[in-house]
Amino acid sequence: RKEVEQDPGPFNVPEGATVAFNCTYSNSASQSFFWYRQDCRKEPKLLMSVYSSGNEDGRFTAQLNRASQYISLLIRDSKLSDSATYLCVVISSGNTPLVFGKGTRLSVIA
Amino acid sequence: EPEVTQTPSHQVTQMGQEVILRCVPISNHLYFYWYRQILGQKVEFLVSFYNNEISEKSEIFDDQFSVERPDGSNFTLKIRSTKLEDSAMYFCASSDRGLTYNEQFFGPGTRLTVL
Repeated sequence: RKEVEQDPGPFNVPEGATVAFNCTYSNSASQSFFWYRQDCRKEPKLLMSVYSSGNEDGRFTAQLNRASQYISLLIRDSKLSDSATYLCVVISSGNTPLVFGKGTRLSVIA
Repeated sequence: EPEVTQTPSHQVTQMGQEVILRCVPISNHLYFYWYRQILGQKVEFLVSFYNNEISEKSEIFDDQFSVERPDGSNFTLKIRSTKLEDSAMYFCASSDRGLTYNEQFFGPGTRLTVL
């Protein structure tokens, strides 16, 4: 079983649309959860952390359901600049290695 | 803003040759990592390094791989005898110390092509 699984994508949406990505993880001992963004042939960059209470950063909202081992990311009012691959990432603790999902590609179309 | 740097940006080598990928982590960081990403695949952990020794390594990190922090700034990944399947993007990352999660900052990567 894959450790972190994501929607296969790609998602092609018009500007202004709302899009949601889902992710599940297999290690119940995972403690911290994140969404990273990766542009083509670039390094991953932290988009936001994910908390059980849910958290919002502008147009981005992340949710965590520990019981279901499920993470989500909602992007409202999509911009062309949101086009990228979104990586679901989990970590066991502290400074242990990041475990990445394969990513979901988003293309926002004018 | 401090950043992780990596050199070279692209390395082309012949199968069986040794390569050294170089990284300069953020100066006050204490944890260092190497990850790789084969084209079209997920980012995979290779090795982590703390207090001048390997703290964790994955199955990918076999005897062909080694890491070193030769001075106070550089962190290197050596592949002794490259294989075709070593072709990938190699990312270095670093983070600060802490009991809770500390963000791992990634360098821009080195694209390794083995012919």
